[in-house]
Amino acid sequence: DIVMTQTPLSLPVTPGEPASLSCRSSQSLFDGDDGNTYLDWYLQRPGQSPQLLIYTLSHRAPGVPDRFSGSGSGTDFTLKISRVEAEDVGLYYCMQRMEFPWTFGQGTKVEIK
Amino acid sequence: EVRLVQSGAEVRKPGESLKISCEGSGYSFTDSWIGWVRQTPGKGLEWMGNIYPGDADTRYSPSFQGHVTLSADKSTGTVYLQWSSLRASDSGIYYCARKTGGFHGWGQGTLVSVSS
Repeated sequence: DIVMTQTPLSLPVTPGEPASLSCRSSQSLFDGDDGNTYLDWYLQRPGQSPQLLIYTLSHRAPGVPDRFSGSGSGTDFTLKISRVEAEDVGLYYCMQRMEFPWTFGQGTKVEIK
Repeated sequence: EVRLVQSGAEVRKPGESLKISCEGSGYSFTDSWIGWVRQTPGKGLEWMGNIYPGDADTRYSPSFQGHVTLSADKSTGTVYLQWSSLRASDSGIYYCARKTGGFHGWGQGTLVSVSS
C-alpha cells in the first residue's frame, strides 16, 4: 500500500497569515499514461463530514475559495492557504488515488493561535 | 443540489449482521462511483471500497474485502454497506461519498457501535 505522511501534525495559525501543509507519499502519484497526479486534499471541520478542497494535485473543487492551492510533484505535495480565516480550522487530509487501495494521510490539525 | 443521505446510527453486538444505506439525489445515480470511508480515532480515515451503481462494479480495499459487501439499488438510488458478522473493531463512523475527481460530496456519516 502507498503510505501517506503528513507534516506537521498540528499547525497553529494566525488569521490573515499564510499557512503551508505538507504531504509525502511512499511512491510516485504521477500517472505517466495520462499526465495526472492523483493526490487530493480534504478538510474536515469539527463535527462535520470531510469536504473536498483540491483534486488531482491542483484543481480546486467547486465552491472552494481561491486562497486554497495545491502543488507538488512525484511524492511531495503542498497545500497552501494564502490568508487563513477562522473558518479554516479543522483536520486536513491528503489522499492518493494513484493505485488501490486508496490511502489517506493521518491528518494535520489546523487551529487558531 | 447533489445530496447523499445516510441511514441513522446503529448499535449491534459482535457476530450480528448490519446493512447501512446511502441515498443519492440531485445527480445521475448510475453515472458516478460511490465510495465508503471509515473514520476511527485510532486509524483516522480509511478507504473501504467503491461501487459503480450503473453496473454494480466494485473495488474493495484488501483490509475490508471479504468482511463487507457493497451493493446498489438503481430503482431507489441507494447504495448499501453490509456486514454478515460484525466485530468490535468495526465500530466507527462510516461515510459514503460521490467520486467526481476526488470524493466530492459526502454523506453525513453513520455511527456504528459494536459492543457486547
